[in-house]
Formats: sequence, C-alpha cells, structure tokens
Amino acid sequence: GDSVTQMEGPVTLSEEAFLTINCTYTATGYPSLFWYVQYPGEGLQLLLKATKADDKGSNKGFEATYRKETTSFHLEKGSVQVSDSAVYFCALLNNAGNMLTFGGGTRLMVKP
Amino acid sequence: ETGVTQSPTHLIKTRGQQVTLRCSSQSGHNTVSWYQQALGQGPQFIFQYYREEENGRGNFPPRFSGLQFPNYSSELNVNALELDDSALYLCASSLTVNEQFFGPGTRLTVL
Repeated sequence: GDSVTQMEGPVTLSEEAFLTINCTYTATGYPSLFWYVQYPGEGLQLLLKATKADDKGSNKGFEATYRKETTSFHLEKGSVQVSDSAVYFCALLNNAGNMLTFGGGTRLMVKP
Repeated sequence: ETGVTQSPTHLIKTRGQQVTLRCSSQSGHNTVSWYQQALGQGPQFIFQYYREEENGRGNFPPRFSGLQFPNYSSELNVNALELDDSALYLCASSLTVNEQFFGPGTRLTVL
C-alpha cells in the first residue's frame, strides 16, 4: 500500500538557518503530494502541494519539488523564524482521491 | 467564510462507552473525511463521506461508523471504546480532490 517516510525529529535550528525536511513516498501511479503544518494544540494547515512530477509547491517561504525519479518531496526554507516552530507532515493523496496517507511528522524547533 | 468546526473540543470517556463526535464542513464543501491522530504520530484515515454516502474507508473496525447529513455536516461514532481509541480526531472538508481543510480536532481520552 501507499506509504510516506519523513525524517525523524526533533530538528532544532537557530533563527535564519536553512531548513530541509526529507520526505520520500511509495505509491502506485502519480499521487498528489502535500506538506501540512500543525501548531501546538491545533489541527492541520495545508502549507503547500504539488500535483504532478517536477511541480514546485511554495508558500510563506517554504518550497518543495515533486521528484518522481527519487519519489521525494523534500521541504525547504531559506531562513527559518521562531514562528515556524511546529510539526510538519508530508502526505500523499491516493489514486482514488479520497485518502491522505501521512508520514509520522517532524517537529521543528527554532531558537532565537 | 466559516472554516471547519468540530465539537466537542475535549471529552473523557471510559472503556466500553460510546461516543459521538461532530463536524461542520466549510461552506459549500460536500465531502468530509475523518482521521485519527494518536499522540506523536501522523493522522490515519478512518473514512470519507461524499454527498451522504461513504466514499472510502481505512483500516478501522466496524465499531467506527459515520454519517453525513444533507447540509454536509458529519458525525463520527465509536462504540465499545478501548484505551487505544484515545487520540485527536480530525475532520477535513473539501470540494475538490486536492484541497482538504482540517478542523481543530476533538481530543478523546478513554480511561
């Protein structure tokens, strides 16, 4: 079945550091890929998405590129802020379009 | 525009009891999905409802059941609660396939 693997956290960075959170997936066909963010005590917010190979999703300084050849969708940001501290989830949407499969989440902590 | 809302925010039940969780979808969204998020883990898909019909189900036992109403709001019912059912239950609504908007969740504790 479909699966998503993302790097384990926590990831601790200083403010203005460069961020990479790795995400790889296993799926049949060409699923849509997503990054969601979860702030403490809240639900999930869609951060960005890509629906086909070589698409780049971007939002709020975060970017991720859909790499079919490496089945990856790594999240990057050039300069993190304390307010980016949260848990980040990589996810894929199955071919039927009705089920998101999530990775285990990566906690990011940004220190001033 | 009102987002996805869920009720209650928190609740505590004991083993063997039954619980009903509620979700109001975002205006105009005809599809509702439910997910279970255990502490420290990613959400797991329970099921999805589209126009009042179940449209896919994850690997959850039949004691997890749901409903969607004509106004597209939804309920998740769990019978014979077990300790492992303690989790954050997330509802997501959508109009298009690639956009699921999540509510804040209901934190269920089973003692």
